[in-house]
Amino acid sequence: EAQVTQNPRYLITVTGKKLTVTCSQNMNHEYMSWYRQDPGLGLRQIYYSMNVEVTDKGDVPEGYKVSRKEKRNFPLILESPSPNQTSLYFCASSLGLDRGKYNEQFFGPGTRLTVL
Amino acid sequence: DAKTTQPNSMESNEEEPVHLPCNHSTISGTDYIHWYRQLPSQGPEYVIHGLTSNVNNRMASLAIAEDRKSSTLILHRATLRDAAVYYCILRRYGGSQGNLIFGKGTKLSVKP
Repeated sequence: EAQVTQNPRYLITVTGKKLTVTCSQNMNHEYMSWYRQDPGLGLRQIYYSMNVEVTDKGDVPEGYKVSRKEKRNFPLILESPSPNQTSLYFCASSLGLDRGKYNEQFFGPGTRLTVL
Repeated sequence: DAKTTQPNSMESNEEEPVHLPCNHSTISGTDYIHWYRQLPSQGPEYVIHGLTSNVNNRMASLAIAEDRKSSTLILHRATLRDAAVYYCILRRYGGSQGNLIFGKGTKLSVKP
């Protein structure tokens, strides 16, 4: 089954304790992205990756890191989490962004993170 | 990306058609109109997209105004499973990010 998986689905942690949220897709997609969703603010892009070893900042990258060493995986790293990073996180993937190529984004189930 | 305007909420009865409107008066010629929906406790999922012509797929239909300043997502027979937040999004192809700019969307309630 074509899907985007995220782990963990739920995480409660404390300020300053490094954590990684994993994201994996099995559709051979080139493009991957991380969003966070907050009440009243909607979904906002954190980082994205056009392909292996190619990553760039989205709208709200502060406090986050990403890496793309393999095509299927795109982990989100919080080196020193803070309470304002408490949020619902979604990973998404799609085919490449060539002009004219349709590129529906597939979203993972979400990771609910609480930073105390 | 150009902005879209949607009603905050709508109600429908089960098995009746639902028309979800979206205004995008500042749309440019290269903007595609995308619709996604987010079911409770799930990630967003793609519904449909179009450029100028009306589009149909197994989930819904998309009616695009001739001047492209508005569009309507049509669910032909609403089911309880269609209760979700529906997002109308404009995406300019050829851009470098592929970012989906989600607005607040329309929360659709379906009554049995």
